[in-house]
Amino acid sequence: QQQVKQSPQSLIVQKGGISIINCAYENTAFDYFPWYQQFPGKGPALLIAIRPDVSEKKEGRFTISFNKSAKQFSLHIMDSQPGDSATYFCAASRGTSGSRLTFGEGTQLTVNP
Amino acid sequence: ETGVTQTPRHLVMGMTNKKSLKCEQHLGHNAMYWYKQSAKKPLELMFVYNFKEQTENNSVPSRFSPECPNSSHLFLHLHTLQPEDSALYLCASSQDMFSGNTIYFGEGSWLTVV
Repeated sequence: QQQVKQSPQSLIVQKGGISIINCAYENTAFDYFPWYQQFPGKGPALLIAIRPDVSEKKEGRFTISFNKSAKQFSLHIMDSQPGDSATYFCAASRGTSGSRLTFGEGTQLTVNP
Repeated sequence: ETGVTQTPRHLVMGMTNKKSLKCEQHLGHNAMYWYKQSAKKPLELMFVYNFKEQTENNSVPSRFSPECPNSSHLFLHLHTLQPEDSALYLCASSQDMFSGNTIYFGEGSWLTVV
């Protein structure tokens, strides 16, 4: 049962462009929504995270937009750089189950120079 | 430099072999996890340990056997695996089991079953 659906599966963006990755969830009990970045040969690393009490969180060029009523959240990468080329995973968890994360399927981002 | 170290990084084993994956975290965390990462699929949580006690077994076949001797070390013992078990196995840790704690991943162990 897929509780977090992520799209697109792959994304190609030109340097300087905006990369947008979307996720939708089903479980309204989820209360923590992180995004992980994974480079080839490495494990996933936390990029940015949000809780449902805010609609947007920005850290540098990375922004999470959160729509609680639609049960959707998205990652925006502004001024995308070739070094941003990686696989991005959205995830969700709920307090009562602790740190148990449910992941999306991942988006392979390629930023062309 | 990751605070979660996994060995070996690559492992090729036959279906009748017995091998183990090792994970060590240097972050002082109390919760440790095994995840399976297959191509085109979401990361799958396999096992969770909190203060050395197993708190979750996500319907994992018995040919995978975890062991957590202390809060810093986690093993995954493998025996009579199938080719479809070939994947990247990721170890992770977090401060504790509360939602919102950052989970730190190791670089993974690539497993190929022949």
